[in-house]
Amino acid sequence: GNSVTQMEGPVTLSEEAFLTINCTYTATGYPSLFWYVQYPGEGLQLLLKATKADDKGSNKGFEATYRKETTSFHLEKGSVQVSDSAVYFCALIAPTGSGGSNYKLTFGKGTLLTVNP
Amino acid sequence: GAVVSQHPSRVICKSGTSVKIECRSLDFQATTMFWYRQFPKQSLMLMATSNEGSKATYEQGVEKDKFLINHASLTLSTLTVTSAHPEDSSFYICSARDRKGQGNQPQHFGDGTRLSIL
Repeated sequence: GNSVTQMEGPVTLSEEAFLTINCTYTATGYPSLFWYVQYPGEGLQLLLKATKADDKGSNKGFEATYRKETTSFHLEKGSVQVSDSAVYFCALIAPTGSGGSNYKLTFGKGTLLTVNP
Repeated sequence: GAVVSQHPSRVICKSGTSVKIECRSLDFQATTMFWYRQFPKQSLMLMATSNEGSKATYEQGVEKDKFLINHASLTLSTLTVTSAHPEDSSFYICSARDRKGQGNQPQHFGDGTRLSIL
């Protein structure tokens, strides 16, 4: 089956520090990869995505590159801000079920990021 | 961008009450919506896949009679927690996938419903 393993937190950084949250996956077929962010008390927002090998997703200073050879999709940001404090989920969609008729999101466990001023 | 509205955002009610949560796609049509449950400091657990015009598909271990799902239109799915008890207290989140585009496109999430059963 499909699975996502991401770095367990919590991660605590000072403002302007460099961020890396590791994410690796196993999947049948060719998955699409996502990072979602959840701010306290809210639902999930799509942060970035990549649908094929070597694609780089980017948004709001965050980046992640789809690495098929290492089955990884690590999230990075060069300089974090206090407002980046949230829980980050790595996720994938790959076809499941007979004939690949279902496309379910598989999530990692989430990584809590706290950025201090 | 794509917007999914979930209502209510918070419910507090007595044990034995049935609670209905709505999930609407505001600017796109969704033949498929998903219902998740999230426990504190944990990831999302998929409960069921809601299919417009047909029965929902439930994940293993989720009680169909307890969590009733109706997907009556291309923009609305509802989750009813029947005869809710304190152990049903949780954060429920819906998501929707635009009917245009392929199945591997991202889902768009609502803001969640905090359900507290006293």
